[in-house]
Amino acid sequence: DAKTTQPNSMESNEEEPVHLPCNHSTISGTDYIHWYRQLPSQGPEYVIHGLTSNVNNRMASLAIAEDRKSSTLILHRATLRDAAVYYCILRRSSSNTGKLIFGQGTTLQVKP
Amino acid sequence: DTEVTQTPKHLVMGMTNKKSLKCEQHMGHRAMYWYKQKAKKPPELMFVYSYEKLSINESVPSRFSPECPNSSLLNLHLHALQPEDSALYLCASSSYGQTYEQYFGPGTRLTVT
Repeated sequence: DAKTTQPNSMESNEEEPVHLPCNHSTISGTDYIHWYRQLPSQGPEYVIHGLTSNVNNRMASLAIAEDRKSSTLILHRATLRDAAVYYCILRRSSSNTGKLIFGQGTTLQVKP
Repeated sequence: DTEVTQTPKHLVMGMTNKKSLKCEQHMGHRAMYWYKQKAKKPPELMFVYSYEKLSINESVPSRFSPECPNSSLLNLHLHALQPEDSALYLCASSSYGQTYEQYFGPGTRLTVT
């Protein structure tokens, strides 16, 4: 399974945009990029996923580099509720099990 | 209903006890997962069930025994655990398709004494 690298921690101010980076230099052409987050004392929750093109949903945007070796999760206006551990995960599209291998993730602190 | 429920929320057991964790979903998902999460670490995949059949066992010790009695239920039977097995046990489910978006339960906090 291809590996992802994320900063251990990041800080943001409330109501400002947050850009969470992820490096995945060994990504293969069939790997989807998934983002999950885990709020304190909760199970992880799905945020967004993409393959090649940038993606938007109600929670966030995902910007994927042209060579796909990196991606950035964008929270447009951080709230205190967005303080969580954010995981960037690669999932092989040929896998028929949905298997996810979590990396260490980025702990996001949001300051009021 | 996009909820995955897990019971109990907390469990304390001795090393000679036998106990079970339960997970339930009513989203019609045919893939279900068990993860183990130690404090301040990411979740680690333990088992994957696909259409009620075990499809992945990530070399988990036999003192953990999963069971999928039907498409909505997933159990994890515990026997002769060690103190290092104390962790948060997370259950998840997903449908098949491009997304494989996994829905996680809140977990069972297990303490082995």
